[in-house]
Amino acid sequence: EPEVTQTPSHQVTQMGQEVILRCVPISNHLYFYWYRQILGQKVEFLVSFYNNEISEKSEIFDDQFSVERPDGSNFTLKIRSTKLEDSAMYFCASSEGVGETQYFGPGTRLLVL
Amino acid sequence: GENVEQHPSTLSVQEGDSAVIKCTYSDSASNYFPWYKQELGKGPQLIIDIRSNVGEKKDQRIAVTLNKTAKHFSLHITETQPEDSAVYFCAASRLSGGYQKVTFGTGTKLQVIP
Repeated sequence: EPEVTQTPSHQVTQMGQEVILRCVPISNHLYFYWYRQILGQKVEFLVSFYNNEISEKSEIFDDQFSVERPDGSNFTLKIRSTKLEDSAMYFCASSEGVGETQYFGPGTRLLVL
Repeated sequence: GENVEQHPSTLSVQEGDSAVIKCTYSDSASNYFPWYKQELGKGPQLIIDIRSNVGEKKDQRIAVTLNKTAKHFSLHITETQPEDSAVYFCAASRLSGGYQKVTFGTGTKLQVIP
């Protein structure tokens, strides 16, 4: 069964450093998403991406965040200058079409020290 | 924006009993309601979903009901098993600008006691 994969599974970084989280969506999916989950809290929407551009973003997704699809398979989330409060689990998701089920990856646990 | 409330936050049941998790949503335009199961260290996995043109949907031991008028929906798990222990999230979604944004509830930690 096709699945969304994410790397790395864990990332530890110093405050102020840049991090790139990587995702490989399901191959025939066209819509991509990033969510985050702070420890013990609910999953929060960050951004959706379609046709090589951001289609929607939340207030969390400020100028420190960016997304990119550098090639035909990868979808990345970059945090330019990490803050302590960026520590969370980051989930990538993809869907085949608009209004279709979103399938989530296993997540990347980011710890900012 | 959409706000999804979920209750209870924790739920313990004996193996074989039923479990019910309830959610309410605020945006009457929401039209898709997925339920996700999250096991420790893993991403949310879709277990069942319901669309706003349907009032109830069942898949083996799992069922969801939707009351659009009252803006609430529920997950029912019957004959619970220890492997059902996990955190369950309800979610509400609507087409927003043509793209789907999912708003999650706060989660219910279900513990099934053998």
